[in-house]
Amino acid sequence: AQSVAQPEDQVNVAEGNPLTVKCTYSVSGNPYLFWYVQYPNRGLQFLLKYITGDNLVKGSYGFEAEFNKSQTSFHLKKPSALVSDSALYFCAVRDVEQGNTGFQKLVFGTGTRLLVSP
Amino acid sequence: KAGVTQTPRYLIKTRGQQVTLSCSPISGHRSVSWYQQTPGQGLQFLFEYFSETQRNKGNFPGRFSGRQFSNSRSEMNVSTLELGDSALYLCASSLSSSGGYSSYEQYFGPGTRLTVT
Repeated sequence: AQSVAQPEDQVNVAEGNPLTVKCTYSVSGNPYLFWYVQYPNRGLQFLLKYITGDNLVKGSYGFEAEFNKSQTSFHLKKPSALVSDSALYFCAVRDVEQGNTGFQKLVFGTGTRLLVSP
Repeated sequence: KAGVTQTPRYLIKTRGQQVTLSCSPISGHRSVSWYQQTPGQGLQFLFEYFSETQRNKGNFPGRFSGRQFSNSRSEMNVSTLELGDSALYLCASSLSSSGGYSSYEQYFGPGTRLTVT
């Protein structure tokens, strides 16, 4: 079964500093990987995805993610953090099932809370 | 385009009652998925509908059911509510396709916060 792991419950960073939120994956076949962000009392907002191609994926709000096949990682990064980036971040992988390729199901990590201090 | 909408946003029910939640996907999206989010279990997949057919179901009891209408709007129903059903229920829509590996991302609604007392 496909799975992702987010090893850090919380990441603290000062405004203006670079941030990294870690994610590792375990999949059979090629991974379809996603990052989402959730603000309090809100749904999830799509940030970016990796399907194939360049290992550095650029997304919304200045975020990017680096896909590393040898380390099975898909870390989320931003060069300069903002206080408004403080939120809950989820890494996800699209699940697949033998003989049933069309369906949409995401398997999420446990989430990482990002706190950006002024 | 308008985003995914969910109604109601908040709901309080008592144990044993049933509840129906509604989701309207982004225009043109034919796939609708439902997820349950709780502090203890995180985000868990409930089921997905495409063209009025359930394509996949998560590991939830039969009290959880859903359906999709011809306009792609979807409802989920929980019968005989239990305290543990208290959660944020999220709906997501996607372009998807009828077959082949789909790389489309899912777009989530704001969720329905269900509290069971």
